[in-house]
Amino acid sequence: GQQLNQSPQSMFIQEGEDVSMNCTSSSIFNTWLWYKQDPGEGPVLLIALYKAGELTSNGRLTAQFGITRKDSFLNISASIPSDVGIYFCAGLTSGTYKYIFGTGTRLKVLA
Amino acid sequence: ETGVTQTPRHLVMGMTNKKSLKCEQHLGHNAMYWYKQSAKKPLELMFVYNFKEQTENNSVPSRFSPECPNSSHLFLHLHTLQPEDSALYLCASSQDGRDTQYFGPGTRLTVL
Repeated sequence: GQQLNQSPQSMFIQEGEDVSMNCTSSSIFNTWLWYKQDPGEGPVLLIALYKAGELTSNGRLTAQFGITRKDSFLNISASIPSDVGIYFCAGLTSGTYKYIFGTGTRLKVLA
Repeated sequence: ETGVTQTPRHLVMGMTNKKSLKCEQHLGHNAMYWYKQSAKKPLELMFVYNFKEQTENNSVPSRFSPECPNSSHLFLHLHTLQPEDSALYLCASSQDGRDTQYFGPGTRLTVL
């Protein structure tokens, strides 16, 4: 079936550093969503992308919809301790119109 | 009330119990979803309701029974569960079946 490969699986970074993570697939997607999940909570939507090549920012977060429509990237600039959590990507498939979720990137920020 | 709410937030049940999870959305959406989240696995879609009609059952065992009485409420009835059913159960809603999904806080279920 369709899969989303999200990398890295986890990362430790120093406060103030920039962070990059991505999702890739062999399938084409019509929409990309990026969520953040804190422990014991549900995922919270960060950024939604609807067009290939689209670059969208939300504060210190920037996400891009890959031109091939098979990948997406999320960047966090100048990380702070509250950025800790798990970041998920989700892609809306072009054929079946279902959302497929990545396995998440666990981010830990060292003060 | 904001967004999507879920109750209870935590539930411990024995394998012979019957319990229900409740989800309510205050966003005026028409589609609602149940997901299962297990450790180190992607979110697993269980059920989809669009305008109160079930449009997706992702091969979920019959011990999970969804109910959608109206576009704002979604239930997941549980009976004779197994320990491997322990997980975080997330409810989500969207304007329609293809639109951006908004999640509730989840119910942490433990089956003893």
